[in-house]
Amino acid sequence: SAVISQKPSRDICQRGTSLTIQCQVDSQVTMMFWYRQQPGQSLTLIATANQGSEATYESGFVIDKFPISRPNLTFSTLTVSNMSPEDSSIYLCSVSGGGELFFGEGSRLTVL
Amino acid sequence: GIQVEQSPPDLILQEGANSTLRCNFSDSVNNLQWFHQNPWGQLINLFYIPSGTKQNGRLSATTVATERYSLLYISSSQTTDSGVYFCAVEASGTYKYIFGTGTRLKVLA
Repeated sequence: SAVISQKPSRDICQRGTSLTIQCQVDSQVTMMFWYRQQPGQSLTLIATANQGSEATYESGFVIDKFPISRPNLTFSTLTVSNMSPEDSSIYLCSVSGGGELFFGEGSRLTVL
Repeated sequence: GIQVEQSPPDLILQEGANSTLRCNFSDSVNNLQWFHQNPWGQLINLFYIPSGTKQNGRLSATTVATERYSLLYISSSQTTDSGVYFCAVEASGTYKYIFGTGTRLKVLA
């Protein structure tokens, strides 16, 4: 299994600002995944982040709104840009190991 | 893309009751997992079960990949079982996990 740490765990932000979420894994992994969970909803995959290449975004998500960095095999960041109240969600970082998916504790974001 | 539907969407049980949660998926999968999201939002891995049957205490799961479904059984439910249960599948030919619609469970004392 993998141990995944996310920061911040929660934050309250003002409309129009940006926030960067950090994800640190205790082992080297090829792919890292970012998910969003809107209130009362299931988890939706935002993008897959591979070290050394551009992130691959799912339909409905764009790089200008959710830029992702992946500088090495244990770390990634997700930025939520120009936030609106609709961006209030839990953002989760995950990694796959042996076919199994592991999650950090998530970052709960509230936009006012 | 693959569709993952869970049923029932909501379930209320008295403590001590048993229940079965179902996950149907529309295409072949490489991997399948069950998660429990507790009321504080934390996702807990319950089972990694691409096929066959597994048991862990009061919980067990069965996946019949050829028929494109998985079942999660909860026996002698406790109030701490409350929360949302998700199945997630990795469709064949992809490396991405797609989450189901979820079952919201409330266990009453």
